[in-house]
This record gives sequence, C-alpha cells and structure tokens, in this order.
Amino acid sequence: AQSVAQPEDQVNVAEGNPLTVKCTYSVSGNPYLFWYVQYPNRGLQFLLKYITGDNLVKGSYGFEAEFNKSQTSFHLKKPSALVSDSALYFCASGDTGRRALTFGSGTRLQVQP
Amino acid sequence: DGGITQSPKYLFRKEGQNVTLSCEQNLNHDAMYWYRQDPGQGLRLIYYSQIVNDFQKGDIAEGYSVSREKKESFPLTVTSAQKNPTAFYLCASSIPHRTGGLGETQYFGPGTRLLVL
Repeated sequence: AQSVAQPEDQVNVAEGNPLTVKCTYSVSGNPYLFWYVQYPNRGLQFLLKYITGDNLVKGSYGFEAEFNKSQTSFHLKKPSALVSDSALYFCASGDTGRRALTFGSGTRLQVQP
Repeated sequence: DGGITQSPKYLFRKEGQNVTLSCEQNLNHDAMYWYRQDPGQGLRLIYYSQIVNDFQKGDIAEGYSVSREKKESFPLTVTSAQKNPTAFYLCASSIPHRTGGLGETQYFGPGTRLLVL
C-alpha cells in the first residue's frame, strides 16, 4: 500500500524568510506527487505536481518542490514567505491501483508579519 | 475552485435521515471523486467514478451511496447507516493523463460541511 507522510502538523515562519513544508512518500513503481493548498472553509487548490523529468518543479504563487528519489521526499519550498501563504498544505500521491489520490495529514503553515 | 460546484455549503442532518450532497462540474472531466475531510486526518476517499454509469468504493464507503447518471453530476448520499457523518465533504474531478491516470490533476469544489442536529 502506498502512503504519504507530512511529519509536521504546523510550520511557523516569519514573513520574508524561506519556507519548507516536508513530505515523504512510500509508493510502488514511479511516484506521481502533488501539492495542494487549502484556505479556511474552502476546497483544495492545486499548486504543482511531479510526474517525471526535472527534480525541481515550479508551481503557482512562487512555490516549488524538490523531488528526491533517494530520500523519498517531495518538500514544498518558497524563497520568501508571505502572510497570505498561511494555510493548510497537503501532499498527495497518485494511487497506483485506481485513479485517486492518497493524501498526507496536512501541515498548517503560519507566516508571522 | 474552477468549474466545480457543490451545494449546499452547509447541511444539517437529523438522526435517521438520509441527505444528499450535490456536485456538478462543467469541465468535461471523465472522472469524479468524493473525499471526506476530518481534522488532522487529511482527506479520505469515499467513492470515485471513472466514467458515466460506473463507480467504485473508496476507503470509507460504508454508510454512503452515489450515482453517476450524467457526466456532469456525481451526487453523494449520506445514509442513516453513517453514524459519524459530521465532516467537510469535498468533490473533485479530473481528466485522464497520458500516463494512464496516475499523473492527472484533480480539481476540487468548494466543499459542503455536514453537521448533525
């Protein structure tokens, strides 16, 4: 069975500082990895995904993620955090047995002014 | 939230009552999904449908039912057999990716919050 882990329930960072939200995965075969963001009482918004190719994936709103096969990680990064980045972030993987996503438990990002 | 609509935004269920959550998409996507979100648990798959008139159980299908009579619509019924229905319900849709379905992006609706009276 595949799984996705987000080891931090919450990440706090000061505005203007770089941010990292961690994700590790366990999948059979080639990994298909996604990051989504959720604002309070809203649906999920797609940020970026890794399918194949370049290990550094660029996405929406200045976010990027680094795929590391040896460490089975797919950490989300941004060079300079904004207060408006404060939200709940989910890492997910494409399920090899069905066309659905397996989600991590989510990480709450808090950016302080 | 793209071209996916969910209604109502809030829904209240009385004990023993069945309630239906609506999900409609105008993205011409083949596949549609229902997820349940509980605090600290991420999203869990309830049902999914890859094509009209076909659907499959997800990880937590007990106490739920769905239908897929039209490409645009995938309603979810929360039956009285679901003893703990209080949650945030999210509908999503996707179009097959050339990789065979694993790399496709799912797009989510705004969600319905179900509360028990």
